[in-house]
Amino acid sequence: GESVGLHLPTLSVQEGDNSIINCAYSNSASDYFIWYKQESGKGPQFIIDIRSNMDKRQGQRVTVLLNKTVKHLSLQIAATQPGDSAVYFCAEIPGGYQKVTFGTGTKLQVIP
Amino acid sequence: GAGVSQTPSNKVTEKGKYVELRCDPISGHTALYWYRQSLGQGPEFLIYFQGTGAADDSGLPNDRFFAVRPEGSVSTLKIQRTERGDSAVYLCASSPTSGTEAFFGQGTRLTVV
Repeated sequence: GESVGLHLPTLSVQEGDNSIINCAYSNSASDYFIWYKQESGKGPQFIIDIRSNMDKRQGQRVTVLLNKTVKHLSLQIAATQPGDSAVYFCAEIPGGYQKVTFGTGTKLQVIP
Repeated sequence: GAGVSQTPSNKVTEKGKYVELRCDPISGHTALYWYRQSLGQGPEFLIYFQGTGAADDSGLPNDRFFAVRPEGSVSTLKIQRTERGDSAVYLCASSPTSGTEAFFGQGTRLTVV
């Protein structure tokens, strides 16, 4: 099937290790950020979000960090599992406006 | 339905033909988005509906592309005189209100031959 991650930067991680995926966003007016996971042949799936009045948010096995000073987001996945293999996109939404802009994406490969 | 539904899942059409892609959002979601995703790229914004009206259509590449949402629920993306460069996965997403997470469908893979 079609690979959404064909030309994307790739991060290879050993199963059980922690993964860190980084994203630089472009619009300083963005005040809402989302990380999406996309498996081959499927639509993007929501993982975790964060608003600009926060710098850290934790979910189940995932943590998002936001550094507004340098316009940087990161997604940390604890104890990475084979099912985490996918392409990960960060997305930004400017305040008062609903257009969601996606970043380039990173392909995560989990090595069993 | 339980999620965003897009039909057809695959569409092959000849260059120059007209196509319609359908999106059934999650019931009650007022915001609806269309995106286009090419191989190895992130989704690219096309158009955003709030209710029945297109709040932002700045991502539509040219006047061959048009989308409607006449009753504020189902939306149809229409492409006239298709070109090979239109080949991509077309994704639809909906959200309960503006400014909240968007839920995506599985997409329609359009191939223009």
